[in-house]
Amino acid sequence: GENVEQHPSTLSVQEGDSAVIKCTYSDSASNYFPWYKQELGKRPQLIIDIRSNVGEKKDQRIAVTLNKTAKHFSLHITETQPEDSAVYFCAALSGNTPLVFGKGTRLSVIA
Amino acid sequence: EAQVTQNPRYLITVTGKKLTVTCSQNMNHEYMSWYRQDPGLGLRQIYYSMNVEVTDKGDVPEGYKVSRKEKRNFPLILESPSPNQTSLYFCASSRGPGRAEAFFGQGTRLTVV
Repeated sequence: GENVEQHPSTLSVQEGDSAVIKCTYSDSASNYFPWYKQELGKRPQLIIDIRSNVGEKKDQRIAVTLNKTAKHFSLHITETQPEDSAVYFCAALSGNTPLVFGKGTRLSVIA
Repeated sequence: EAQVTQNPRYLITVTGKKLTVTCSQNMNHEYMSWYRQDPGLGLRQIYYSMNVEVTDKGDVPEGYKVSRKEKRNFPLILESPSPNQTSLYFCASSRGPGRAEAFFGQGTRLTVV
């Protein structure tokens, strides 16, 4: 089955700097790659996703890139703000099985 | 309002006492899943269901049971809870393949003493 590796596990950045979180996946048939944000004490919520026929997608300060050949995808957050502090999970979907998640990255934005 | 509802939100129980965590969704989703979240281990899938009466084991199914008798409900059953099942549990639902955003419940924090 699918296996998703996520790095780093923790990340601290100064407010206004950029943050990058990287994930790799194992199943070349995976075709959907979402990112979830989990604020402290809350449920994970989808922030952006990308499908395998697209190389990059952007939504305001958030962007995701996908390299199918290398089987990795990344989340980029620019101009970070304190409210970006959270745990971020990447995930991959292959076939009919539900999402497989990475272990998460705890992002701290220091004001 | 579209939502996934879990109950209870918090539960403290003793080893061996059977318990059920309920999960209900009002979005007519086919897929439902249970995850447990532990520090450093992320979200690990316990069981999932692709439709009524169809359930499959995830990565960590030992000690858990599920049922899917109707589309909206997907309860998680711990027949004989043990302390290593102390965790934060999330139920999630999504539409079929290709429309895969997962909507999570509020979470259930379970402590087994």
